[in-house]
Amino acid sequence: ETGVTQSPTHLIKTRGQQVTLRCSSQSGHNTVSWYQQALGQGPQFIFQYYREEENGRGNFPPRFSGLQFPNYSSELNVNALELDDSALYLCASSLGGTQEETQYFGPGTRLLVL
Amino acid sequence: SQQGEEDPQALSIQEGENATMNCSYKTSINNLQWYRQNSGRGLVHLILIRSNEREKHSGRLRVTLDTSKKSSSLLITASRAADTASYFCATGKNTGKLIFGQGTTLQVKP
Repeated sequence: ETGVTQSPTHLIKTRGQQVTLRCSSQSGHNTVSWYQQALGQGPQFIFQYYREEENGRGNFPPRFSGLQFPNYSSELNVNALELDDSALYLCASSLGGTQEETQYFGPGTRLLVL
Repeated sequence: SQQGEEDPQALSIQEGENATMNCSYKTSINNLQWYRQNSGRGLVHLILIRSNEREKHSGRLRVTLDTSKKSSSLLITASRAADTASYFCATGKNTGKLIFGQGTTLQVKP
């Protein structure tokens, strides 16, 4: 167990809807990264939040947005859902600003868009 | 886009045998990490090797890194059925952004 939790575990939405996924980071960690993992693929970096500010973004459109709260938990929001957004969404927490780059992953939220 | 390519894509061995997985990457890195994923669940960190290191051990795991060839290997010795999982390499450059490969699916038969 990494101490990183995600909710919900599974979610079914229809095309065009909006979704919010949540992540609680490991105690003491101030950085949360989000990844999208399509079936049979490796995770792809969406963005990272460090001390409530976006700190890097991957090749994802603006309809993917996020927040980090003062307790360092985080949300991933996806608007105007598309069928290709169906994937496992993983968050990972880490202690940013140090040489420690190990990221600790949560169990993921599996999103199905119909 | 994926940074790394893992080889082989799939590997099936008997319990007790050794399993070797390889990872190649394209750009310079600060570190390379290996993760395990069971049945599409969260990733578990296995080992991190920095760009100035050549070999690292952790229990039954041995990781090598050759920065001149931009490649790494993960060796699991004396494999067990519980080692059945997908294994991913990921490269980091102190940006916090990890770039993952496609993964190797390992099946260990009892």
